[in-house]
Amino acid sequence: GAGVSQTPSNKVTEKGKYVELRCDPISGHTALYWYRQSLGQGPEFLIYFQGTGAADDSGLPNDRFFAVRPEGSVSTLKIQRTERGDSAVYLCASSLTRGGGRYNEQFFGPGTRLTVL
Amino acid sequence: SQQGEEDPQALSIQEGENATMNCSYKTSINNLQWYRQNSGRGLVHLILIRSNEREKHSGRLRVTLDTSKKSSSLLITASRAADTASYFCATDGFYNQGGKLIFGQGTELSVKP
Repeated sequence: GAGVSQTPSNKVTEKGKYVELRCDPISGHTALYWYRQSLGQGPEFLIYFQGTGAADDSGLPNDRFFAVRPEGSVSTLKIQRTERGDSAVYLCASSLTRGGGRYNEQFFGPGTRLTVL
Repeated sequence: SQQGEEDPQALSIQEGENATMNCSYKTSINNLQWYRQNSGRGLVHLILIRSNEREKHSGRLRVTLDTSKKSSSLLITASRAADTASYFCATDGFYNQGGKLIFGQGTELSVKP
């Protein structure tokens, strides 16, 4: 596809359950980012991949959150033992450049709205 | 903590008027970007301005950057109802590894027809 895609678009789960959120970046983009956005707030950084490796996971709130990108393309964000406070829109973005340099335009997907009951 | 802080938090104008939003940040940056978001979903990239640039234009958008004051402004001229959205500035800190973006809380713009 032409843009970043994310599935599912909406996910409703019960407290304590496990969820997986998927991101398909723009083809050829080596950098992939996950952000979380709570209502009325700006997106907050979670984790960044360069290729297959997590280059910066400093934004993950705790060890219940984990993300993988095994083949350097699709990424999955995994949340264990979900809590009501995890409810938010989870946004994925990809970038052609490595980032940290002079050009870092990130293209965002539509997001997954996670609701934990 | 938020790197960028937008001002005002909410702005309501009539169609045809200009809208100005401001953003302040705290640390040195490589570049600053403005994004638009409709209905709390995906962000649309509007414009990127590098730290060595002072002004940039794109259509009805004009962005300025003052690195000495650590501030930026986004001007939308001749606004339209379709410009109604939330607008965010985002910076990638100069010492960041990987270019992760730090967003402000956004300005909610309402353009009335």
